[in-house]
Amino acid sequence: DSGVTQTPKHLITATGQRVTLRCSPRSGDLSVYWYQQSLDQGLQFLIQYYNGEERAKGNILERFSAQQFPDLHSELNLSSLELGDSALYFCASSLWTGDQYGYTFGSGTRLTVV
Amino acid sequence: DAKTTQPNSMESNEEEPVHLPCNHSTISGTDYIHWYRQLPSQGPEYVIHGLTSNVNNRMASLAIAEDRKSSTLILHRATLRDAAVYYCILRDEENYGQNFVFGPGTRLSVLP
Repeated sequence: DSGVTQTPKHLITATGQRVTLRCSPRSGDLSVYWYQQSLDQGLQFLIQYYNGEERAKGNILERFSAQQFPDLHSELNLSSLELGDSALYFCASSLWTGDQYGYTFGSGTRLTVV
Repeated sequence: DAKTTQPNSMESNEEEPVHLPCNHSTISGTDYIHWYRQLPSQGPEYVIHGLTSNVNNRMASLAIAEDRKSSTLILHRATLRDAAVYYCILRDEENYGQNFVFGPGTRLSVLP
């Protein structure tokens, strides 16, 4: 157990639907990062939050959004889902942004869009 | 972002040492070299990182070339549990907003 908790572990939904993925960071970590891993794209950085505020954006689609709450957990919202959004979504956390010792990843949420 | 080049795949026999190479010829003076690995069906996990000197921890050793243009991750005795994708990543520690950029990595197979 890495200390980063992601729920749900698996999610199957239909095209056009909206889902919310949840991440609880490791205790004491202030930064949360979201990554998407699909078969043909590898691990792609989506977005980072630090202590409730957005700090960096990567290849995140406009249909996707995220937020970090006062208790530091984070949610990734995916809407108007397409077949191509099927992927593993990982959350990672670190003590602060730029933490030299890097990230601790959760075990991911596998999203299947049918 | 400074780029890294790794072999797509490597094979090793169980209980033998494994040397995973990484080339980073455009590395800058403030780039740290990080290694992560991703076991099947899991998220990436931190392995080791370093700047200029060789580094050892309980998981592995990191050997950094004197000119820093390449590095090698060394697993001293491979086990079946070491079969994973290994990522070599550079990150500029003076740019605190920079996030880890994962390449395709090296897929390590360990043969019993």
